[in-house]
Amino acid sequence: DIQMTQSPSTLSASVGDRVTITCRASQTIGNWLAWYQQKPGSAPNLLISETSTLQSGVPSRFSGSGSGTEFTLTINSLQPDDFATYFCQQYNDYGPTFGGGTRVEIK
Amino acid sequence: QVHLVQTGAEVKTVGSSVKVSCKASGGSLSTFSFVWVRQAPGQGLEWVGGIIPKSLVSNNAQRFMGRVRITADEPASSVHMELTRLTSQDTAVYFCARATGNVGWRGAFDLWGQGTLVTVSS
Repeated sequence: DIQMTQSPSTLSASVGDRVTITCRASQTIGNWLAWYQQKPGSAPNLLISETSTLQSGVPSRFSGSGSGTEFTLTINSLQPDDFATYFCQQYNDYGPTFGGGTRVEIK
Repeated sequence: QVHLVQTGAEVKTVGSSVKVSCKASGGSLSTFSFVWVRQAPGQGLEWVGGIIPKSLVSNNAQRFMGRVRITADEPASSVHMELTRLTSQDTAVYFCARATGNVGWRGAFDLWGQGTLVTVSS
């Protein structure tokens, strides 16, 4: 299985901050990486697919970059609605795996 | 607009089985593939298995050692996941989700069910 390592596990930030979450794959996965946002009691919501493709309806303050084994999710000007947990997911093969999650909390 | 609607919470005993269903409300399964993902309390996300309803090809994560059976019923626009020989470690919320892309379930998951809590107690 491809292991996905996300960092940090928790991030404290204020409204208006720029935050960056990193995801590293144990082997190269090309651009086959997605990012999800999850709020307590809800299903994950797809934000970005194929490393950098923003899903319809997702605010442009979210962006993704990277390739191979290292990827980042950036949130520019953090908004109150953005405090949540974020997961990366690789889909380079037929056994998709997820990062452990990054909880973005209010500073 | 299609929604994925899952069956309700289940409480099971150790050693028993559970079947969770997921219906594409407002549409059909179409040409999409579907996956099951679970989340233990306070934990991350874990892929359980996937299915291509058109061909009924399915597979599941090796760690389940043959305990998982994923099926699809196209006329009913539903996919199902059955997990047998339950242990307390199987207590989790189980989500169905639709895969993007056109190579089976090898894709991002753009539409999710609301989740079904399965509690396994002794």
